[in-house]
Amino acid sequence: QQQVKQSPQSLIVQKGGISIINCAYENTAFDYFPWYQQFPGKGPALLIAIRPDVSEKKEGRFTISFNKSAKQFSLHIMDSQPGDSATYFCAASLVGGGYNKLIFGAGTRLAVHP
Amino acid sequence: DAGVIQSPRHEVTEMGQEVTLRCKPISGHNSLFWYRQTMMRGLELLIYFNNNVPIDDSGMPEDRFSAKMPNASFSTLKIQPSEPRDSAVYFCASSQDRAQETQYFGPGTRLLVL
Repeated sequence: QQQVKQSPQSLIVQKGGISIINCAYENTAFDYFPWYQQFPGKGPALLIAIRPDVSEKKEGRFTISFNKSAKQFSLHIMDSQPGDSATYFCAASLVGGGYNKLIFGAGTRLAVHP
Repeated sequence: DAGVIQSPRHEVTEMGQEVTLRCKPISGHNSLFWYRQTMMRGLELLIYFNNNVPIDDSGMPEDRFSAKMPNASFSTLKIQPSEPRDSAVYFCASSQDRAQETQYFGPGTRLLVL
């Protein structure tokens, strides 16, 4: 019940296209849903995050869509660029043991071809 | 700020040897996390410190793993004795906000145990 399921495992998109990565969760106690971006040889870095009281959050070319009833959320990258090529992790935050514990999805390796 | 600093960046050792990974969190951050990243298991939380005190070590795989945080600016993760299955990238992350929602990751230590 603490899992976050992420798909697809890998994604190839042409430059200028839309990249879509999906995540699903079971535990309705999750109250914070961040996306992290990781470049090769680097640590993950927070990209964008959303709380369950809103259905969408947009920051530049990156948008999170959140469907509370379906317990699903997704990351959309508009006008994808080669520089967006990275591994993307969705996560969910669960308040347990006195702190917010991040549960990560398995990751999606995105390649944007020129 | 220099961000989270980890050392060494790469470590190659032989099975049975002791390995010590080091982390310097961002100044002023009071929460510190150690993660392990592998292809098979993704990003796993090993241990969480708050104000230098271990709060949750339920992710530490076995007694061969230990972690300390002697002060607010330094933490270590030790594996003794190391085994080939410990080969992974180990990340340290720190957080400032009360809910520890935004975690800042270091560049990681890539460990190979032969």
